[in-house]
Amino acid sequence: AQSVTQLDSQVPVFEEAPVELRCNYSSSVSVYLFWYVQYPNQGLQLLLKYLSGSTLVKGINGFEAEFNKSQTSFHLRKPSVHISDTAEYFCAVSDLSGGYQKVTFGTGTKLQVIP
Amino acid sequence: GAVVSQHPSRVICKSGTSVKIECRSLDFQATTMFWYRQFPKQSLMLMATSNEGSKATYEQGVEKDKFLINHASLTLSTLTVTSAHPEDSSFYICSAFDSRTDTQYFGPGTRLTVL
Repeated sequence: AQSVTQLDSQVPVFEEAPVELRCNYSSSVSVYLFWYVQYPNQGLQLLLKYLSGSTLVKGINGFEAEFNKSQTSFHLRKPSVHISDTAEYFCAVSDLSGGYQKVTFGTGTKLQVIP
Repeated sequence: GAVVSQHPSRVICKSGTSVKIECRSLDFQATTMFWYRQFPKQSLMLMATSNEGSKATYEQGVEKDKFLINHASLTLSTLTVTSAHPEDSSFYICSAFDSRTDTQYFGPGTRLTVL
């Protein structure tokens, strides 16, 4: 079984300041890791993913995340946020089970960018 | 990234009626699609896994007879909410698994309101 923990339900940050959204996971097997963003009343958009290779992953909109196996973490970072980054962010983990991919989501972190 | 569409985006129906929601992968074929339900200010809850040409796999606690899933082609899965009741009102999101990139891509969601 796998699980994802996003400890921060809300993160307020001033515009142009840096931000880090935390994500920790647990799994008994190797996993893939994802960050998705959800704007109000919309579906989820993939920000970035870690499947293998370099532990520092760069995504869209200037976001990046680092996979840390020893700490079982996959924190999301952005050096300078914009008002348009205000949204809910979901960390997710998956493994390949039975030939398909089943994803477990964290509870989400609402990023509020303050002008 | 790959594109997944959902139709309709919003539907209002009377209690006791059935509602069909379509999920399409527009630029790739998906043998596996997923249906999620999202309650206000909560994360996504996996309802079922839809496999092309075979029966869907439902998560524990999800009524198979109430939420009918059909995955008739490699680009289309449908979710039918039968005999809908007000407690079925929710945001339903589908996703399609792209085996070329080992990634799930999400539709924009369908807001169902049952009066």
